[in-house]
Formats: sequence, C-alpha cells, structure tokens
Amino acid sequence: DQQVKQNSPSLSVQEGRISILNCDYTNSMFDYFLWYKKYPAEGPTFLISISSIKDKNEDGRFTVFLNKSAKHLSLHIVPSQPGDSAVYFCAASVGAGNMLTFGGGTRLMVKP
Amino acid sequence: EAGVAQSPRYKIIEKRQSVAFWCNPISGHATLYWYQQILGQGPKLLIQFQNNGVVDDSQLPKDRFSAERLKGVDSTLKIQPAKLEDSAVYLCASSLDVPYEQYFGPGTRLTVT
Repeated sequence: DQQVKQNSPSLSVQEGRISILNCDYTNSMFDYFLWYKKYPAEGPTFLISISSIKDKNEDGRFTVFLNKSAKHLSLHIVPSQPGDSAVYFCAASVGAGNMLTFGGGTRLMVKP
Repeated sequence: EAGVAQSPRYKIIEKRQSVAFWCNPISGHATLYWYQQILGQGPKLLIQFQNNGVVDDSQLPKDRFSAERLKGVDSTLKIQPAKLEDSAVYLCASSLDVPYEQYFGPGTRLTVT
C-alpha cells in the first residue's frame, strides 16, 4: 500500500520554463511534507518542506504548495535550469522529524 | 563540514552470503537512519537510532537484518543471509536531532547474485 505516490515517473521541461512536480498521499495523519533532490550516485539532498498548517512555502526558485483537502502537494521550480535535472522525491511524516515515507520519485530533465 | 560517510560504495555477493555496511554520520548528529532504496522506488526506512538507542525498527526484516550503533556515533547494518530481493542501495542519513532535516550519505549499492 503506497501511502505517498508520484504518478509521473519523468518530466521534460525547457530551460527557463516552469517545472511542476506532483505528489499525492493517502494517510490523513501526515502533517509534514518534504521534497528531496537526488543526483546519480549521490544521496538525496533536502530541498524544501512544508507543514500542514501552511498551504505554501517558498525558497528562491522553489515553491511547494499543499492542498490538504485533495491530499496533494506540488513543487514548482521557476525558472528551470539544466542543473535542476535530477530525480525528485516527495516525502511525508506524522510530525516533523519522524519516520519519512517517500514517493517513488520523478525524473526531471531540463533541456537547454 | 564533512558529510555522511558510507562504505563500501559497491558490493556484489552471492545469495546466502553475509554483508555489512558502515556509516559515519555528521559529527554531533544524534539521530541516524538506515534506508533501503530498491531500483525505481523511493527510500524505505529500515531503522532509526537516537544516540545508541533504537527509535523505530518496525520495517527492519529482523530475521536477516541487524543494525547497531555503538557509542552513539558510527553504525553498521548487516544482512545475513542475503537474498536476491535485497539488491538495492542502502542509504544512511543523520540529523542533528528530531525534528531537524536529514542529511544523506552517497549510499552502498548491493547486488545479490
């Protein structure tokens, strides 16, 4: 039973355009959500997080949106750069710092 | 600041053999995690330590997997005996404490033949 799902295994975007990565979850107890970025042969790197008391969090070119009623979150990258090409994982937990449940990942390719 | 170190980076073994992975977390980080990432899937938590005590090992297959964190610093994860389905990347992560962000090591890629 996958509690966190990323339904798009891959996404291709032109440099300078917006990248939108989506994530759905089923466990209504999740109240803390994170996005990680992973390059080949490296471990995941924390990108941005959001608590369920907010519906938006912004950090530079990265914005995460949370729709609790739809159990859906998305990561927006504007503008997209070739260096953003990586696999992006969303993750969720019940309480910040507790066990993370990861989605399957979306591979983003940003074309120059 | 040095990151999370893991060794070996790659390991190939035959099924029914034993294998051990080592992790050195970021200095001062109290919480240490071991994840298993099967190809095409997201990481799955196997075990979480707080200092040298186990916080969560509910997803650790205890019949073949074991982990320890002596003196609250380095940790080892062992598989004995290995099965084909254990082929995966084993990631170690650490955080300053709960609920701080987790920092991941590069992982150990295990292939069981």
